[in-house]
Amino acid sequence: DIQMTQSPSSLSASVGDRVTITCRASQSISRYLNWYQQKPGEAPKLLIYAASTLQTGVPSRFSGSGSGTDFTLTISSLQSEDFAAYYCQQSFRDILTFGGGTTVEIK
Amino acid sequence: EVQLLESGGGLVQPGGSLRLSCAASGFAFSSYAMTWVRQAPGKGLEWVSSITGSGDKTYHADSVEGRFTISRENSKNTLYLQMNSLRAEDTAVYYCAKGHSFCTSTSCYFDFWGQGTLVTVSS
Repeated sequence: DIQMTQSPSSLSASVGDRVTITCRASQSISRYLNWYQQKPGEAPKLLIYAASTLQTGVPSRFSGSGSGTDFTLTISSLQSEDFAAYYCQQSFRDILTFGGGTTVEIK
Repeated sequence: EVQLLESGGGLVQPGGSLRLSCAASGFAFSSYAMTWVRQAPGKGLEWVSSITGSGDKTYHADSVEGRFTISRENSKNTLYLQMNSLRAEDTAVYYCAKGHSFCTSTSCYFDFWGQGTLVTVSS
């Protein structure tokens, strides 16, 4: 199975900060990498698919990049509603896997 | 409006069984891959099982292979997860989710999610 490793596992940031989260795959997955946001008590929400395509309705401050094994989710200017957990997920194989998650907390 | 409503969760003893259901509405159910994802208390997301739109192909995580079975009844717009031989480590909120319209198989990403149903395995 393909293992997905996210870093950091948590970070503290302030409103307006630029935030970067990294996801690494155990083997090349081309651009089959997706990002989700999850707030406490809520279901996950799809943010980005195919490494860099923004899901409909997602603010443009979110962006994704990468290919192969290394991927990045960037929030250009953190807003109060962005404090949440973020997960990457590979869809290269039918056996899907998620990263361990990154919690973005208020500094 | 797409809606996914899970049901069937609850408290079950180790070794017991449960069947989860996910009632779908607002989209052409049989045209989309569906999946189950779980989240243990305070932990991250774990993919459990996926099924093609027609139901002809299914995939399960190693952690549930041989114990859980995903299925669907397209005439009723309903997704199922039959869970047997339950263990304490299966305790989690179970979400059903709809495959994105751009996906052509179960190797997919998921654009709509239910609110989840809690399964607790304990004696």
